[in-house]
Amino acid sequence: SQQGEEDPQALSIQEGENATMNCSYKTSINNLQWYRQNSGRGLVHLILIRSNEREKHSGRLRVTLDTSKKSSSLLITASRAADTASYFCATGSQGGSEKLVFGKGMKLTVNP
Amino acid sequence: NAGVMQNPRHLVRRRGQEARLRCSPMKGHSHVYWYRQLPEEGLKFMVYLQKENIIDESGMPKERFSAEFPKEGPSILRIQQVVRGDSAAYFCASSPPGRALYEQYFGPGTRLTVT
Repeated sequence: SQQGEEDPQALSIQEGENATMNCSYKTSINNLQWYRQNSGRGLVHLILIRSNEREKHSGRLRVTLDTSKKSSSLLITASRAADTASYFCATGSQGGSEKLVFGKGMKLTVNP
Repeated sequence: NAGVMQNPRHLVRRRGQEARLRCSPMKGHSHVYWYRQLPEEGLKFMVYLQKENIIDESGMPKERFSAEFPKEGPSILRIQQVVRGDSAAYFCASSPPGRALYEQYFGPGTRLTVT
């Protein structure tokens, strides 16, 4: 079964607005990562947050992690039409094989 | 430094045929992962390989699917006797040793259509 579940599953906003996506997971993790996938393309790594971190920034991206609630959020500020894509969270867990477990993804549409 | 290469990008097979998907990892990367993405779904782990070794194949269907990563050449994901349910995008990712939990670089994917 999927480890991560993104919420909402789809979001449509206007250019310039902020977009917030949430991800919940079930088991203990080493880190949580966010990826972007443009339609019909491969995945692009956006940002990684380790389990001992609470917040991280990268350009217009801000990610938070609450390990007590097993949840993370990704905030994209001042959105652009080019941000239109699907966004996935993925968790990396130690104690087993080094594989990432992905959520089902969230489709973001930024209207110009 | 070229990224992860996958070919073909699109593959059409009739039911019962074999599909071979290739993945060349980034230079210096010795770990390869295969993931499958069904329409409107996230990626699901299939198999993790190092050179000449299968480390974790817990996500591979028990029948018809196999993977290898030989000493020389690309990693191959092989699907025998394909069925319509195999239609999906198959992504390969590679990572340097010891970094798989932190750095996985994805290829553009192979979109398999079974008719």
